[in-house]
Amino acid sequence: LAKTTQPISMDSYEGQEVNITCSHNNIATNDYITWYQQFPSQGPRFIIQGYKTKVTNEVASLFIPADRKSSTLSLPRVSLSDTAVYYCLVGDIRNAGNMLTFGGGTRLMVKP
Amino acid sequence: NAGVTQTPKFRILKIGQSMTLQCTQDMNHNYMYWYRQDPGMGLKLIYYSVGAGITDKGEVPNGYNVSRSTTEDFPLRLELAAPSQTSVYFCASSYDYTEAFFGQGTRLTVV
Repeated sequence: LAKTTQPISMDSYEGQEVNITCSHNNIATNDYITWYQQFPSQGPRFIIQGYKTKVTNEVASLFIPADRKSSTLSLPRVSLSDTAVYYCLVGDIRNAGNMLTFGGGTRLMVKP
Repeated sequence: NAGVTQTPKFRILKIGQSMTLQCTQDMNHNYMYWYRQDPGMGLKLIYYSVGAGITDKGEVPNGYNVSRSTTEDFPLRLELAAPSQTSVYFCASSYDYTEAFFGQGTRLTVV
């Protein structure tokens, strides 16, 4: 089970780009990298998923280097509403019990 | 299309009581999950299911039971509630290994 390490918290200002890096040194061949966002008193919400290189959707980008030992979630031009906890998950797509294993997450605070 | 629906939203139990947390999804997803989240912490997997009739333990299954008789429903049973089970419980479902959808949670207090 690949363990992930993320910063506990980050601060940013409105309009800035935020990059949250996740370390997963023992990622395995069948592991995918997935990021979720959680607001207080709500369930997590899927942001983005990738295996290698770069993935982009309407919300964020995910950068994964060739060795896949880390990944970076990039949020362009954040707003106050992006204040939330962001979780990096690394899991084996062949194992449902492993795919959605949450760590401690990164608490992002966006300031005006 | 309601997604994942959890009931109740709040519940207070006395020590030793039992209850069932309900979870229903209308997306025809095979995979369903139960998590608990303690204050300021990440989610911990209690049980999961890959289809009707199939369940398996997650990281913290002690004190809980589940069943999956239909694709839509995945109830979580607490027997002999203890203060350590005070937490917020989330149910989730997914079609495959990609995006999972979470319910709004059940806030349980055991006193």
